[in-house]
Amino acid sequence: QITLKESGPTLVKPTQTLTLTCTFSGFSLTTTGVGVGWIRQPPGKALEWLALIYWDDDKRYSPSLKSRLTITMDTSKNQVVLRMTNMDPVDTATYYCAHRRLGSGVVPSFDYWGQGTLVPVSS
Amino acid sequence: QSVLTQPPSVSGAPGQRVTISCTGSSSNIGSGYDVHWYQQLPGSAPKLLIYTNTNRPSGVPDRFSGSRSGASASLAITGLQAEDEADYYCQSYDSSMRGAVFGGGTQLTIL
Repeated sequence: QITLKESGPTLVKPTQTLTLTCTFSGFSLTTTGVGVGWIRQPPGKALEWLALIYWDDDKRYSPSLKSRLTITMDTSKNQVVLRMTNMDPVDTATYYCAHRRLGSGVVPSFDYWGQGTLVPVSS
Repeated sequence: QSVLTQPPSVSGAPGQRVTISCTGSSSNIGSGYDVHWYQQLPGSAPKLLIYTNTNRPSGVPDRFSGSRSGASASLAITGLQAEDEADYYCQSYDSSMRGAVFGGGTQLTIL
């Protein structure tokens, strides 16, 4: 059974760096084809893809946010970490991590999602 | 504003059929990139509903179906039920944006 859970701060101040951790079970990031992505959703708004890391440490980022994002993995802990620098109130959103469906091609689909964590950005 | 355009809202009575469109362009769906669909119930995380244009994950009722033609895709829901009331999102890839993209979402209301 695949599960994912996001954890991070309950409040972030403008200009600070956000660090989110996705702790997962039921799969391994050492298995060929596996990937974990991050997607966010501002309150009342649409989903936005942020980043994706693959089993071979290949990393993909949203071009509009690439300069602010870093995604890493710790296979021994079954965790994926997303860092976003220079946070702004417009970054207030629920942040989700999700498992890339095996067999996804160029367009990854996400078949298991965490519950999400709301990150308010405010002074 | 998303590069994939969805109607903000659709509605239908129980038992009826509705379709949700996802209109893209030559840099995404029109280039042959796959489309996936997600259902997001109120207060919940999204759930994969359709992958690779037409495929249903295990457990998704066959009342849900997807299609793709040209630069657009559609999600059809037949035999509407109260539990289908949710937001629906399409997702694809955009070569000019060089990343995965989501549609703006469609809110389905059951009358």
